[in-house]
Amino acid sequence: LAKTTQPISMDSYEGQEVNITCSHNNIATNDYITWYQQFPSQGPRFIIQGYKTKVTNEVASLFIPADRKSSTLSLPRVSLSDTAVYYCLVGERLGSAGNMLTFGGGTRLMVKP
Amino acid sequence: DAGVIQSPRHEVTEMGQEVTLRCKPISGHNSLFWYRQTMMRGLELLIYFNNNVPIDDSGMPEDRFSAKMPNASFSTLKIQPSEPRDSAVYFCASSGTGGIYGYTFGSGTRLTVV
Repeated sequence: LAKTTQPISMDSYEGQEVNITCSHNNIATNDYITWYQQFPSQGPRFIIQGYKTKVTNEVASLFIPADRKSSTLSLPRVSLSDTAVYYCLVGERLGSAGNMLTFGGGTRLMVKP
Repeated sequence: DAGVIQSPRHEVTEMGQEVTLRCKPISGHNSLFWYRQTMMRGLELLIYFNNNVPIDDSGMPEDRFSAKMPNASFSTLKIQPSEPRDSAVYFCASSGTGGIYGYTFGSGTRLTVV
């Protein structure tokens, strides 16, 4: 799996837009970019996935430039409940038995009132 | 769907005792993963199964750790004997197709070894 690099932590205030960037210079042609969110005392949960350009769902947007060596998770108008750790992962979307989900350190987002 | 179900939610045991953690994956999912999370090491993949067969156990820290998946709806992670450094949150996850899409995690078992 391609190695990812993302900031260790970020602070924000309620109502602001938060952008978390992830670097993945060694991304392969078949790799997708996926973000997971983990709240305290819970397991990670899938929030968004993309291959290129832009993807948007009810939770977040994911921006991927043409070279795909980085991606940016955008959370619009964050609230206190968005305080969590956000993980960026890169790998094949639909894999065979050989694919494993390997987490990096993630970005700890703290949303303040 | 009830999601991935883990039990117990919390476990406190004395050093040297055997500990068994349990996981029921989502029905129809054919891949199952065991992770351990600590503040120091983050989320570590211990072992994963595909179609009930262990595929990679290179993350299992020591011979004290063992995992089984006797059928598609049940898996166990056993630590024998347990040590204080095994204290962590253990997560089970399942996936229908492998890859990095569609993993569903359980709520975890918080293990404390005293």
